[in-house]
Amino acid sequence: KAGVTQTPRYLIKTRGQQVTLSCSPISGHRSVSWYQQTPGQGLQFLFEYFSETQRNKGNFPGRFSGRQFSNSRSEMNVSTLELGDSALYLCASSLFGGLNTEAFFGQGTRLTVV
Amino acid sequence: GESVGLHLPTLSVQEGDNSIINCAYSNSASDYFIWYKQESGKGPQFIIDIRSNMDKRQGQRVTVLLNKTVKHLSLQIAATQPGDSAVYFCAENSSPEGSSGSARQLTFGSGTQLTVLP
Repeated sequence: KAGVTQTPRYLIKTRGQQVTLSCSPISGHRSVSWYQQTPGQGLQFLFEYFSETQRNKGNFPGRFSGRQFSNSRSEMNVSTLELGDSALYLCASSLFGGLNTEAFFGQGTRLTVV
Repeated sequence: GESVGLHLPTLSVQEGDNSIINCAYSNSASDYFIWYKQESGKGPQFIIDIRSNMDKRQGQRVTVLLNKTVKHLSLQIAATQPGDSAVYFCAENSSPEGSSGSARQLTFGSGTQLTVLP
């Protein structure tokens, strides 16, 4: 059974640009969550999608957005990139995303903003 | 705001010894906790979880203890091996205030770097 796949693994962008990251969840999983990991802030929740709907959102500016497709694949977009957006972006999938649902993480996309 | 945090940023143990990693949480309404292991260059990997109606749960070489009175969580690793070297995170699975019960998110602690010495 394939795990969570995130593409690309590494990305370098310049300030002001926008970027789209992709996440393919484990087959059958309907919930996809996104997290930002930085040395200073640790792992922070961005948002969760379930059945193509954003069900929950963390405390990030509107420059961070996402969507989920009918096959449960998800994308997140960051517009007008800032240096502080440099981070490891992690995607986690789970069956339903509720209580007691084990979340499986991908290897992440390392975004560097220069 | 609510937060989940760790007591120690680093922990070094001798191979074969037992490791104990601690975590404090502040949301008394939290009802589900998970421990993750993150190796360099990889995403977090589920280790073990525990619900708030339990005090202890055991897995293979790992045990999680939950003390709701003092809002404290610990992860015990028996006979620590070199492959256990990683960053360990505790996480709280909760519903944000004002959200529906189906909206859940993981709030992570800052992590503890475990180093196993030969």
